[in-house]
Amino acid sequence: DVKVTQSSRYLVKRTGEKVFLECVQDMDHENMFWYRQDPGLGLRLIYFSYDVKMKEKGDIPEGYSVSREKKERFSLILESASTNQTSMYLCASSMIRVNTEAFFGQGTRLTVV
Amino acid sequence: DAKTTQPNSMESNEEEPVHLPCNHSTISGTDYIHWYRQLPSQGPEYVIHGLTSNVNNRMASLAIAEDRKSSTLILHRATLRDAAVYYCILRARLAGGTSYGKLTFGQGTILTVHP
Repeated sequence: DVKVTQSSRYLVKRTGEKVFLECVQDMDHENMFWYRQDPGLGLRLIYFSYDVKMKEKGDIPEGYSVSREKKERFSLILESASTNQTSMYLCASSMIRVNTEAFFGQGTRLTVV
Repeated sequence: DAKTTQPNSMESNEEEPVHLPCNHSTISGTDYIHWYRQLPSQGPEYVIHGLTSNVNNRMASLAIAEDRKSSTLILHRATLRDAAVYYCILRARLAGGTSYGKLTFGQGTILTVHP
């Protein structure tokens, strides 16, 4: 069974903390994505990576950075967490060919207090 | 990036067909049309995709307008398990290449299915 695994389902962090959200896929996919989902705003793309060490900004990259040192792992980093980063974070992966689907993890509910 | 426009919500009765529309008037010639859905408390899941021709799979059908500026996801017989948020997405080519990369979601359509 194909899998995208996010390291935590629920996370509570304090304002100003450095936060790492980890995502691992076991399908040898080239593409990996980080989204955040907020009520009424749908899914918004934060960052996208199409290869190891390669990244592209999505629609809302401010306040976030990413790391992709290995093909199977894509990390989202909040350098200094703020309360407006409280959200559901979703990771996804896909092959780079067009006629393939993206697979999503179950999400991490991050609360910054 | 080309954007999509979907109705905020739609309702259907169980076992009736559902037609979910999507407008994408600025679509480029190489953009593929993808549909995903998100069940409550789950990550999105793939439904179907296409380029120009209509497509069918076990979950749904995708009807694409001749000018490609709109498409319709068709659920032939809605069930209560089909209640979800449905997203229409345009998948663009990576710059300078022939590979496809990011998926940019819109707000989606909340589908309610009544027993």
